[in-house]
Parts: sequence; C-alpha cells; structure tokens
Amino acid sequence: NAGVTQTPKFRVLKTGQSMTLLCAQDMNHEYMYWYRQDPGMGLRLIHYSVGEGTTAKGEVPDGYNVSRLKKQNFLLGLESAAPSQTSVYFCASSYPDYGYTFGSGTRLTVV
Amino acid sequence: AQSVTQPDIHITVSEGASLELRCNYSYGATPYLFWYVQSPGQGLQLLLKYFSGDTLVQGIKGFEAEFKRSQSSFNLRKPSVHWSDAAEYFCAVGATLTGGGNKLTFGTGTQLKVEL
Repeated sequence: NAGVTQTPKFRVLKTGQSMTLLCAQDMNHEYMYWYRQDPGMGLRLIHYSVGEGTTAKGEVPDGYNVSRLKKQNFLLGLESAAPSQTSVYFCASSYPDYGYTFGSGTRLTVV
Repeated sequence: AQSVTQPDIHITVSEGASLELRCNYSYGATPYLFWYVQSPGQGLQLLLKYFSGDTLVQGIKGFEAEFKRSQSSFNLRKPSVHWSDAAEYFCAVGATLTGGGNKLTFGTGTQLKVEL
C-alpha cells in the first residue's frame, strides 16, 4: 500500500538517551514534515524538508535534528531526550499542493 | 502569523442527528483551509479542503464545509451522523513557508462522541 510508514510505533526512553525516528514514503513526494501532537495543543511543526538534502526548522525545533539523505526518507533525531519530548510524532509528505499524507504516528514516552 | 480556533473541545450527538463543528481562522491573505479526522491510534485523514471558488465544499464520508470570509469561519457539517464518525476532528489553515514547503497550522481539535 502506498503511503507514509513510521518506525517505531512505540518507544520508551530514559532521560538523556538518544533515538531516531524513521519516516519513509513511496509516493515520490518532494515535501516531508515532522509534527508533534500534544493534548490540547493540536499538531505543531518541528522540522520540514522541501527536497533531498534540504531541511528547515519549524515552530518547535529545539531538541531535535533531522536529515533527508534520500528523497523517500526523513529522519527525526533526539540527541538527549527530555520528559518534555513525550508526545506523539507524526510524519507527513506532500507534493506542493498541500495534499498531505500522514503516517500513523510514533508514541514516545520519556521517563 | 496564522492561527486556528476550534472553540468546542468535546461534542456529543445522537446517531442520525446533524452535526456542525466550528472553526475560526486568522490569516492575512486568502486562506487555504482543511478539515482532517483522526481515529484513535491513527494518523490524520483529509476530509476536505478549500482553496478558492465555491464556498461550499464537499468532502468524503458525507461531510461538507462552508467558507465564510466575513466571519473568518470554516465550519464542518454533516446532515446525519453515524456511530463510525466518532473521532477527533482538526481544522487547519495552510501557508507557504519561506524557501518553499507548505505548513499547516492546526486547531486544538474537537472530540466527537456519538450516542447510539
């Protein structure tokens, strides 16, 4: 099935640990995004990419890094996890027409 | 900067009743507007979008929304709700990012409960 695949689906980290969330899309979309979803706050944009090898900061980028070495993949890294990064993370991809396709999310808990 | 307000955090309706979910936006130019639905444990699915033209937009699953520029609103409606419509609904406004890319700014969501 064509779409956006996120791995892992669930993860528990200890404060200070690092991890990478992987997003893969098979629709040849140029744009890819990472959002976080927190109760009562909707979704907020962390980082985004408009093409292979390019990344840019969104509205809540602190504590995260990203890379897009291949067009189909967009990685989100947490170098030193903090409890404030407990959230559900969504990846999305699109053509330049706002037609977002979302992944099913990664539920991250930092203890 | 753009923003979206969904004033109703929770709404409960009876199956078969009509539904209206409210959305107000703030954006300086002509807005691109969206409604998404999220079922538990799932990602967001696009219900409908408005870019220009007819202000009444039809979407999937029998939903429609009406853009009212004078009220800065984009309310979602359905004439007869089904139990399977129980989910969280998000309104969003789109904007072009500097250097390319499109950003969606989401409201905080409305949780819909359907009573049988």
